[in-house]
Amino acid sequence: SAVISQKPSRDICQRGTSLTIQCQVDSQVTMMFWYRQQPGQSLTLIATANQGSEATYESGFVIDKFPISRPNLTFSTLTVSNMSPEDSSIYLCSVEGGVPTGGRKTDTQYFGPGTRLTVL
Amino acid sequence: GENVEQHPSTLSVQEGDSAVIKCTYSDSASNYFPWYKQELGKGPQLIIDIRSNVGEKKDQRIAVTLNKTAKHFSLHITETQPEDSAVYFCAASMHYGGSQGNLIFGKGTKLSVKP
Repeated sequence: SAVISQKPSRDICQRGTSLTIQCQVDSQVTMMFWYRQQPGQSLTLIATANQGSEATYESGFVIDKFPISRPNLTFSTLTVSNMSPEDSSIYLCSVEGGVPTGGRKTDTQYFGPGTRLTVL
Repeated sequence: GENVEQHPSTLSVQEGDSAVIKCTYSDSASNYFPWYKQELGKGPQLIIDIRSNVGEKKDQRIAVTLNKTAKHFSLHITETQPEDSAVYFCAASMHYGGSQGNLIFGKGTKLSVKP
């Protein structure tokens, strides 16, 4: 499957600050997504990162709080802005499509290892 | 919108037994159903998926069945091993424009396999 890396793997932040999470894929992909997984909970889609245009946000998530960049077909960032303790979660990127490498199917989503964020 | 319900929330089996996890979905337009395994401290890993034009799919000890009429699908793990212990998530989406789109996840099942 695709090699998807995220940085940082974990962080502890103070409320009111911002954190930018990076997602890097080892091959070009068509789609990149950002999910949130609150402690012990399921996954919820935050937004679809579109290359060369503004991200598409799901209901309940806004660009001012979660600005996203996608400068090319292998990289995206998610920023969690003006953090509060309620933002403590695992943030996951996933990818789909593009060039099949390492046995990865192009028509399904593969997830990165996640970034574990704790806000004090 | 789509809603996915998953049962049970926890499942404990003896090594070598079978485990079954069931999901139901609400949107009849959904046509893609993946299953993910998430081990502690890791991201979800795709283990098997099924599309609506297929009723059953098998990969070694893992199988998935789909009943489109009843709108439910199930994961079957046979000959369970301690390394199968993890949280399993089902999901549903509607394939369009070459993308699986927004995956709607169930709440997860924590599977424990006792040696």
